[in-house]
Amino acid sequence: GENVEQHPSTLSVQEGDSAVIKCTYSDSASNYFPWYKQELGKRPQLIIDIRSNVGEKKDQRIAVTLNKTAKHFSLHITETQPEDSAVYFCAASGNNFNKFYFGSGTKLNVKP
Amino acid sequence: NAGVTQTPKFQVLKTGQSMTLQCAQDMNHNSMYWYRQDPGMGLRLIYYSASEGTTDKGEVPNGYNVSRLNKREFSLRLESAAPSQTSVYFCASRPAGAQYFGPGTRLTVL
Repeated sequence: GENVEQHPSTLSVQEGDSAVIKCTYSDSASNYFPWYKQELGKRPQLIIDIRSNVGEKKDQRIAVTLNKTAKHFSLHITETQPEDSAVYFCAASGNNFNKFYFGSGTKLNVKP
Repeated sequence: NAGVTQTPKFQVLKTGQSMTLQCAQDMNHNSMYWYRQDPGMGLRLIYYSASEGTTDKGEVPNGYNVSRLNKREFSLRLESAAPSQTSVYFCASRPAGAQYFGPGTRLTVL
């Protein structure tokens, strides 16, 4: 099955700096890659996603890039704010979208 | 529109007891999922249901059973709870793309 690895496990940045979280996947058939944000004690919530026919997608301060050849994708957050502090998860899904495989999460701490 | 709801929010069981976690969605989604979340391990798929009347095993199905009662409801049953099943359980549903998660059930097995 698919194996998704996520790095780093923790990331601390100063407010206003950029943060980058990286994920790799093993199954070349995976073609859909969502990112979730989970605040303490809350449910995961989708923040951005990308399909394999696209190399980059942006939504305000958040962007995701995908390198299909290298089988890795990354989340970029610019101008970080304290409210960006949370755990971020990447995931990968294959052709039928039925199974999602999650990375182990990155705890982002944005220091004011 | 409540989205995905789960009951109960918290539960404490003794080893060997059984219980059912309930999940319902009102978004008319075909696919529904059960995950467990343990510290440092992300979300692991227990079972999923691609459509009403079908269920399939995920990564960690041992010790669990599921029922897709109708399009709205997908329940997870622990027949004989073990301490290793202490976790936070999330239900999710999906239209064509990403999943929508319920608020979670925090289960402790003593």
